Parts: sequence; structure tokens; C-alpha cells
Amino acid sequence: AQKITQTQPGMFVQEKEAVTLDCTYDTSDPSYGLFWYKQPSSGEMIFLIYQGSYDQQNATEGRYSLNFQKARKSANLVISASQLGDSAMYFCAMRGGIQAGTALIFGKGTTLSVSS
Amino acid sequence: GAVVSQHPSRVICKSGTSVKIECRSLDFQATTMFWYRQFPKQSLMLMATSNEGSKATYEQGVEKDKFLINHASLTLSTLTVTSAHPEDSSFYICSAREQGKGAKNIQYFGAGTRLSVL
Repeated sequence: AQKITQTQPGMFVQEKEAVTLDCTYDTSDPSYGLFWYKQPSSGEMIFLIYQGSYDQQNATEGRYSLNFQKARKSANLVISASQLGDSAMYFCAMRGGIQAGTALIFGKGTTLSVSS
Repeated sequence: GAVVSQHPSRVICKSGTSVKIECRSLDFQATTMFWYRQFPKQSLMLMATSNEGSKATYEQGVEKDKFLINHASLTLSTLTVTSAHPEDSSFYICSAREQGKGAKNIQYFGAGTRLSVL
């Protein structure tokens, strides 16, 4: 069975600092995708970054980077230069395989609070 | 990115009534859509996978007669909460994946529907 674990219920960081949100996963599929989403208080789910299991390099998208350590089964999200608008809930998600009908499964989420 | 529209954003209804939630992919076709449920400060729990032109696949513990899903076209899926009760109050969010995008296949989400059953 697939599983996503986020062990940090809440994280606090000051503006302009970097922060790492932890995510570990478990799957028996050789091919899988890892995703991070941001959910502000409005409720919408905003896609941030994707890492494929066969990707050789860590994914980066602007201020977001994914520290992918396959042997450790971890996919931590790094946010550089935090901004007040980064305050939100962050979810790590995984999809095993590439079939269209396979849904994402989510971790429990981490609430990030950015202060000035 | 692709846009998924979900309507209504908020519903308040009396116990015993049925509520229909629509999910549309606006600029892409989706043979598969997904319905999730989220309680406050908790994770998204997959309820069902909606397949265009066929029956939905429900996750274990989700009552198919309670949560009716119809996926009549490549751009529209609906979730009907039948005979809603206060325990059905929750945040429901739909999702769709763009076809033909390879392994990345980003799953885009609607803005969610907050259901309150009185």
C-alpha cells in the first residue's frame, strides 16, 4: 500500500528565511510521482512542484525546490526566502504509476506560518 | 495551468435535502475526475474516482448510494449528496487530470464546496 507521511503539524519561519517541510513516502511501484500542493485558508489547492521517480535531478520551481532522496524515500520541500503570503497548509502527495485513473494520495499536511 | 471550476462554493441546506456539486474542466478534457472530502485542518481523503461514461469507483467506506457521481461528459462530473445530514457537513473538492501529458500528469483542483447541513 502507498503511504505519505508528514511529521510536522506546524512550522514557523520568519520572512526571508528558508524553510524545509518534510515528507516521506512508501510505495512498491517502481514508477511514481511526488507532488507538493499549497492550500491557503480559502481552500483551493495550488500545485507547486513535481518530482518523478526516475528524474535524475531535483525539481525546482522558482522559490520552491524538492530535495528528493530516493533511497531514503523522502521528498522534502524547500521554500527559499519565505514571504508572508507563503503562510498556508502544505500537502505532500504521491501517485503510483502513470495510469490516468490513479488518484493522488495525500499526507496529513504541515501548516506553515511566516512572520514579519 | 489548467483550470477546474467547481460550483457552488458554499451550500447551506436543511437535513434531508439533496445537494448537487458540479466540477468542470474548462480548458481540457478529463476522462477521469476525482472527488475528495476534507475535514477542518485535516488531509484530503479520496472518496471516489469518476470515469466518463461509466460507473464511478468508490473508496472503501464511502456509501455509493449516499454520494452519487455522474460523469456525463469529458468536461463535467457531478457529486450529489443525497438526503444530507449534519455529519455530511464538510469541504468537498474535485480534481481532474489533463489527458496525454505523460507521466507528470498534474492533477488540478477546483476551489472546493463547503457544505453545511443544518
